[in-house]
Amino acid sequence: KAGVTQTPRYLIKTRGQQVTLSCSPISGHRSVSWYQQTPGQGLQFLFEYFSETQRNKGNFPGRFSGRQFSNSRSEMNVSTLELGDSALYLCASSPRTSGYTGELFFGEGSRLTVL
Amino acid sequence: AQSVTQPDIHITVSEGASLELRCNYSYGATPYLFWYVQSPGQGLQLLLKYFSGDTLVQGIKGFEAEFKRSQSSFNLRKPSVHWSDAAEYFCAVGALQPGNTPLVFGKGTRLSVIA
Repeated sequence: KAGVTQTPRYLIKTRGQQVTLSCSPISGHRSVSWYQQTPGQGLQFLFEYFSETQRNKGNFPGRFSGRQFSNSRSEMNVSTLELGDSALYLCASSPRTSGYTGELFFGEGSRLTVL
Repeated sequence: AQSVTQPDIHITVSEGASLELRCNYSYGATPYLFWYVQSPGQGLQLLLKYFSGDTLVQGIKGFEAEFKRSQSSFNLRKPSVHWSDAAEYFCAVGALQPGNTPLVFGKGTRLSVIA
């Protein structure tokens, strides 16, 4: 079974630009979560999607948004980039359907650098 | 809300020596507990998980962890460390009861292995 695939793996943007990151979950997984990883803050939860609906959202500004398609693939978008948005963005899929938190299967991440 | 504390930011051990990485969690109900490992430039890989039952759980790569409810701890151990174990290790806690609760991660412990 193929793992979680994230594209692009690396990208460089300048302040004020916007970026879209893509994530393809493991086949059969309908839950997709996004995390931001930085050296200072560790892994911080951005949001989770399940069956095209945002089911949970972390404490990030509205510049961070996401969506999920009918095939469970997900995208996240960051608008008006700031230097502090430089981070590794990790996508994870889960076989969880409802209720309790299940284990997450992570992709290799998209490393965003904002200049 | 859940929280996870990994008291050790960086640990250095000699190859062949034993290892224990500490994890303390805060959660009002029965938790799901996980340990993940992240090699440089990679995503997170699940080492082991605890849901219920035997409090000593075995994982991949020779790792084990023990759940101690009285101490709110879930420490990771390995009897003999290999150079390839050098990586960052994350403890995470999830909810074992209904509720759209994301996994919460500790800030990680970086493991260095010396000859």
